[in-house]
Amino acid sequence: DAKTTQPTSMDCAEGRAANLPCNHSTISGNEYVYWYRQIHSQGPQYIIHGLKNNETNEMASLIITEDRKSSTLILPHATLRDTAVYYCIVNSGNTPLVFGKGTRLSVIA
Amino acid sequence: DVKVTQSSRYLVKRTGEKVFLECVQDMDHENMFWYRQDPGLGLRLIYFSYDVKMKEKGDIPEGYSVSREKKERFSLILESASTNQTSMYLCASISIRGPTTNEKLFFGSGTQLSVL
Repeated sequence: DAKTTQPTSMDCAEGRAANLPCNHSTISGNEYVYWYRQIHSQGPQYIIHGLKNNETNEMASLIITEDRKSSTLILPHATLRDTAVYYCIVNSGNTPLVFGKGTRLSVIA
Repeated sequence: DVKVTQSSRYLVKRTGEKVFLECVQDMDHENMFWYRQDPGLGLRLIYFSYDVKMKEKGDIPEGYSVSREKKERFSLILESASTNQTSMYLCASISIRGPTTNEKLFFGSGTQLSVL
């Protein structure tokens, strides 16, 4: 079973920041938070992951709360090509990733 | 970048046929996975493999088998296809994983299988 809770869907205006929340209140100390996304008709694509500290790469930023019970994926300037299903996953690295139903993000012009 | 190639983008088979879905990765990854994706159900793990000739059942292995004779190739086999196996099948691979690694899971583009 997925250990995360995400909203079913969200909208974001093009050019604005998209903030996608994820609750993982039962996360263990050795589990990372991973984010993947799946654009229509493609396989999922890795975005970012983190353990405790906030992380940033060329695609997005990941903000993890101090108690690690929730996190937020930030796409700083959303474009139409960011329209996708976004998956938040917690995993220790020793077992296969379990994908929930994710958040369907629609970026609107 | 890693390339995970699935042999067919679309496949139509008849009930009772034996079906082979092939997946090849080009980055010498140890771990390979087969998922299926259905509307409203998300991605579900069928089988995975941590090494050549090794296989592990995922969450929904019934009706499927796998083969990993070479490191780069992981095949999903439907012994006798049924209509409830109509689905999108996704293959993925990753290098050795663990709590301190930063490896990414790479997916193929998927095979949409229709069983009539």
